[in-house]
Amino acid sequence: DAKTTQPTSMDCAEGRAANLPCNHSTISGNEYVYWYRQIHSQGPQYIIHGLKNNETNEMASLIITEDRKSSTLILPHATLRDTAVYYCIGANNAGNMLTFGGGTRLMVKP
Amino acid sequence: GAVVSQHPSWVICKSGTSVKIECRSLDFQATTMFWYRQFPKKSLMLMATSNEGSKATYEQGVEKDKFLINHASLTLSTLTVTSAHPEDSSFYICSARKLAASSYEQYFGPGTRLTVT
Repeated sequence: DAKTTQPTSMDCAEGRAANLPCNHSTISGNEYVYWYRQIHSQGPQYIIHGLKNNETNEMASLIITEDRKSSTLILPHATLRDTAVYYCIGANNAGNMLTFGGGTRLMVKP
Repeated sequence: GAVVSQHPSWVICKSGTSVKIECRSLDFQATTMFWYRQFPKKSLMLMATSNEGSKATYEQGVEKDKFLINHASLTLSTLTVTSAHPEDSSFYICSARKLAASSYEQYFGPGTRLTVT
């Protein structure tokens, strides 16, 4: 799995967009970028994933750079309930493991 | 959606006893289930991968005789912490991958907090 680098923590004002960056410069051509989040004392929750194209679902948008070396998860209108640790993971569909890095601790403030 | 449950959600046990944690996929069949442990303010660490009907694959440094994993069906995997010690106190989380999944989504359980006194 590709090694990913994320900022340790970020703050965001409630109602504003939260943009969480992730560097994955060693990602290989068949590895997807997955985003999960973990709210305190709960299991991680799947958010979104993508390979090359930008993706959007009911939770978030994922913007992947053309060279695929980095991506940004966008929560368009952050709420207090979005306060969590967000993990960016590079994973091969042929494999099984998810390797969790340190993640970004997002604090949404009123 | 896909729901994964864990039981118990928390448990306190005495040193030397064994504790069994169940992980169930409630509305889908899981080819593979994973067990993680997480220490306070730390990330998840993969302990082992289990496939239904076969032996689990343990990560380096994880004692297979101490952390017994059984994956008897496509909806149930169990983790037994044998002869528990205080250093085994942790948050244990399981996840499951859907049968014939076209993508790599894993669905996580809510976790089990184990405290060994």
